[in-house]
Amino acid sequence: AQSVAQPEDQVNVAEGNPLTVKCTYSVSGNPYLFWYVQYPNRGLQFLLKYITGDNLVKGSYGFEAEFNKSQTSFHLKKPSALVSDSALYFCAVRELYSGAGSYQLTFGKGTKLSVIP
Amino acid sequence: KAGVTQTPRYLIKTRGQQVTLSCSPISGHRSVSWYQQTPGQGLQFLFEYFSETQRNKGNFPGRFSGRQFSNSRSEMNVSTLELGDSALYLCASSLGDGGRTYEQYFGPGTRLTVT
Repeated sequence: AQSVAQPEDQVNVAEGNPLTVKCTYSVSGNPYLFWYVQYPNRGLQFLLKYITGDNLVKGSYGFEAEFNKSQTSFHLKKPSALVSDSALYFCAVRELYSGAGSYQLTFGKGTKLSVIP
Repeated sequence: KAGVTQTPRYLIKTRGQQVTLSCSPISGHRSVSWYQQTPGQGLQFLFEYFSETQRNKGNFPGRFSGRQFSNSRSEMNVSTLELGDSALYLCASSLGDGGRTYEQYFGPGTRLTVT
């Protein structure tokens, strides 16, 4: 079974400082990894994904994530945080189910990011 | 392109009633997945439909059901509502081709409150 862990419930960072939101995963096969962001009273917005290739993936709004296979991690990063980045961030993993091609995503519990002016 | 739309946005129901939620995917997307989001359990997968067939199902009781129509629109139904069913129900659409790795796009959700 696949699983995702986001070890920090909350991350506080000063505006203009770099930010990191941590994620580790567990799958039996190749992981397909995603980051989503959720603003209050909104659905989830796709930020970026890792499928294969370069370990550093660039996404929307200046976010990037680093895939580390040996540490089974996929941390989300941004060089300079904005107050508007304050939101709930979810890491998700998907594994193909044999014969079904299903799109089930397994999500972490979420990390609340607060960027302090 | 229009995004994923969900109706209604808010619902208040009483225990024992049933409810139907609707989701219209992005044009051209054939896969629709449903998720339940609660503060305690986080985001949990309910089921996924592709070409009017349920392709995968999460660990929820049979009171939760769904269907998909030929135009890819989907509905989910919850019968005999319980207080614990209060949640944000999110619908996500994807191109859905088997073996591909397309991301899912989420709607704004339906906030269901059971009293």
